[in-house]
Amino acid sequence: GAVVSQHPSRVICKSGTSVKIECRSLDFQATTMFWYRQFPKKSLMLMATSNEGSKATYEQGVEKDKFLINHASLTLSTLTVTSAHPEDSSFYICSARAPHLAGGGDTQYFGPGTRLTVL
Amino acid sequence: AQKVTQAQTEISVVEKEDVTLDCVYETRDTTYYLFWYKQPPSGELVFLIRRNSFDEQNEISGRYSWNFQKSTSSFNFTITASQVVDSAVYFCALSEAWSNTGKLIFGQGTTLQVKP
Repeated sequence: GAVVSQHPSRVICKSGTSVKIECRSLDFQATTMFWYRQFPKKSLMLMATSNEGSKATYEQGVEKDKFLINHASLTLSTLTVTSAHPEDSSFYICSARAPHLAGGGDTQYFGPGTRLTVL
Repeated sequence: AQKVTQAQTEISVVEKEDVTLDCVYETRDTTYYLFWYKQPPSGELVFLIRRNSFDEQNEISGRYSWNFQKSTSSFNFTITASQVVDSAVYFCALSEAWSNTGKLIFGQGTTLQVKP
């Protein structure tokens, strides 16, 4: 159990285009999902918390108009990087909070990540 | 303020050696959770363990063991008889119960290289 998928795993796009990344919890319902960004050899930086049926909560310094998050169902959250620029190139990772699975009330299970390269 | 410190940036060992990864945390909350995750070169974070602040029992799972000591605010992770497949970045993380947001505060990670 506790499988989280992300799609695509890798994307290359031109500057100015928008890119959508999907995060799905495959075998459990996740009322809360999280989006992280990770730079090479660095720790994870939380971008936003996504709650099903409500607006995402963004961390300080994260542009909500640039990184659009939609949590349309209990198993799907999407992150859209709008008008992407080279500085948006990074490894984006989502996680889903699983309150009722082994591991306890606050365990986050992570997707495999999406490598975004903006040319 | 909440903080997780993994002072060891990189560790290199030879296969079959034991290795301990240190984790020290700071929190004002009395109820919190501590985690260890493994990030192999593929990039996906793999959940290893969750520990409740009220449960100070050490835990062993195969070659992995965890030593939780509230007195020193530490949650160290030991791999016994390390293997090449253990090579990865290991993250320690903290979650505070009071906020109920489930947010994780990550340490900077320790890169473990196990050489054959």
